[in-house]
Amino acid sequence: DVKVTQSSRYLVKRTGEKVFLECVQDMDHENMFWYRQDPGLGLRLIYFSYDVKMKEKGDIPEGYSVSREKKERFSLILESASTNQTSMYLCASSLGIAGPPRGEQFFGPGTRLTVL
Amino acid sequence: DQQVKQNSPSLSVQEGRISILNCDYTNSMFDYFLWYKKYPAEGPTFLISISSIKDKNEDGRFTVFLNKSAKHLSLHIVPSQPGDSAVYFCATNNAGNMLTFGGGTRLMVKP
Repeated sequence: DVKVTQSSRYLVKRTGEKVFLECVQDMDHENMFWYRQDPGLGLRLIYFSYDVKMKEKGDIPEGYSVSREKKERFSLILESASTNQTSMYLCASSLGIAGPPRGEQFFGPGTRLTVL
Repeated sequence: DQQVKQNSPSLSVQEGRISILNCDYTNSMFDYFLWYKKYPAEGPTFLISISSIKDKNEDGRFTVFLNKSAKHLSLHIVPSQPGDSAVYFCATNNAGNMLTFGGGTRLMVKP
């Protein structure tokens, strides 16, 4: 079974703090993704990476950055946390072009971040 | 502009009856359509998918129907069980690495 783990389930930070969210997958997947989930808005893509040291902006990258130094690890960084970044953050991974064409992604359990 | 829409934020169904969750999309170029299920405090898990060249795919109690002319997708759960209570997301794939998700529908199955 694919396992995607996230470093924290719940996190409380103060406005202006730098926040690191870590994600690790154990199935040698090429692709990794960071989403945020907000009620009624579904899952919105923040950033994704299709290879080590490669990153691409998603739909809502403002206020975020990412790092992928190793294939299994993908980090999301909030440079200066703001209250509107309070959300559920979900990490996912998938095989690259060699994977099934439906492009199924495997998700971690999520991190509920609250910014005060 | 949302490319994938789930217009019903919630749905309540009696145990044993059919649950029908709907999804509309705007881009005709999508190749695959997926449904994910999400329990509270857990990540979404893949449920079922359908290729754009098909109009129906069935897996046990779950059936997905695709109406390409209407750009409409639906998930049928028969019979519904209390354990099916969750948020369901539809998602589309246009042959790349990316999925585009709808806003989700919260299904509540009452015993």
